[in-house]
Amino acid sequence: QKEVEQDPGPLSVPEGAIVSLNCTYSNSAFQYFMWYRQYSRKGPELLMYTYSSGNKEDGRFTAQVDKSSKYISLFIRDSQPSDSATYLCAIAKTSYDKVIFGPGTSLSVIP
Amino acid sequence: DGGITQSPKYLFRKEGQNVTLSCEQNLNHDAMYWYRQDPGQGLRLIYYSQIVNDFQKGDIAEGYSVSREKKESFPLTVTSAQKNPTAFYLCASESEVTTEAFFGQGTRLTVV
Repeated sequence: QKEVEQDPGPLSVPEGAIVSLNCTYSNSAFQYFMWYRQYSRKGPELLMYTYSSGNKEDGRFTAQVDKSSKYISLFIRDSQPSDSATYLCAIAKTSYDKVIFGPGTSLSVIP
Repeated sequence: DGGITQSPKYLFRKEGQNVTLSCEQNLNHDAMYWYRQDPGQGLRLIYYSQIVNDFQKGDIAEGYSVSREKKESFPLTVTSAQKNPTAFYLCASESEVTTEAFFGQGTRLTVV
């Protein structure tokens, strides 16, 4: 079983839609949860960072962690064409552990 | 500006040649990583280093080598033993406080 799994998509939505991106992980020891956004031919950039359970909101983006279900989500409200990218979830057990990335979900927001 | 710099952006290699990809960071991070990304696929870990003069193999280390002589630098050599080296290579450094990984802009290696 992979440590983190993510539906690769591709996911295509109309502009203005609410987007839900999800990952599941296998080990309850993971404490740090992140979402990265990667535009084509560029390096990933950190979008959201959460420690332990709960929600975190930043503008149109909301990250949600449910440790009981080992499930993490990223919601994008009022999606824009500029949100078209690959979104990678990432997890780590401690601040000294290597970060483990999901395979990424490709998102296209159609004008 | 603080950040992580990879060079070159594009690299062409003839079969049988070794090539070295550069990665430099001025973020004062101890941990650095090399990943390989193939089209439509996620990041696969090649090597990582959590401290100077020490590094560990990742999931796909065969055909690659690294060194970590300085905190700021973590070069990756793609050797002729790597059978399918054409890919997008990403270097990252990681904050020990938050686990946030900072990525370079990548090097696209093509074997010709």
